[in-house]
Amino acid sequence: LAKTTQPISMDSYEGQEVNITCSHNNIATNDYITWYQQFPSQGPRFIIQGYKTKVTNEVASLFIPADRKSSTLSLPRVSLSDTAVYYCLVGDIYTGGGNKLTFGTGTQLKVEL
Amino acid sequence: DTEVTQTPKHLVMGMTNKKSLKCEQHMGHRAMYWYKQKAKKPPELMFVYSYEKLSINESVPSRFSPECPNSSLLNLHLHALQPEDSALYLCASSQRQGSTEAFFGQGTRLTVV
Repeated sequence: LAKTTQPISMDSYEGQEVNITCSHNNIATNDYITWYQQFPSQGPRFIIQGYKTKVTNEVASLFIPADRKSSTLSLPRVSLSDTAVYYCLVGDIYTGGGNKLTFGTGTQLKVEL
Repeated sequence: DTEVTQTPKHLVMGMTNKKSLKCEQHMGHRAMYWYKQKAKKPPELMFVYSYEKLSINESVPSRFSPECPNSSLLNLHLHALQPEDSALYLCASSQRQGSTEAFFGQGTRLTVV
């Protein structure tokens, strides 16, 4: 499984765009990149998943450069309620037995007024 | 229905007690997971069930005993726990093992006294 590296913490203000970068230098050809959000005392929540270029949904955008060795989760116009831990996961979604859905250390995002 | 329901939400147990945590999903998912999460740490995988069979046991002590009675239910039986086993226990499900889009329950906050 590809190891991921994220900043431990980030601070932002309401209304700003926040970009959280994840490094995954050993990503394999079949690996997808997935991001989760977790609030205190709750289970993680799936945000977005992608393989290459750009993926956008109602919550966030995911930018993946051509070499796929990193990815950036972009949260537009954050609010206080976006304060959470964000996890980047990398894995092959098709191998079945090999994927353990393993979480790395995550990034604690703190949004202030 | 995209919910994973865990009961109880809170549990206090003595070191000689036997208790069970329950998890239920009705999304037709065939993979179910147990995670343990300590404060300010990422979720740590314990067990994975695929099609009601134990697929992965991450070298979890035998005082934790998982059970999957059917495709919708997952139990975690607890016996002779230690205070250091106090944590948030999370259940998750996905369409199949390997799918990185998983749905998590709210967790059971376990305190061992």
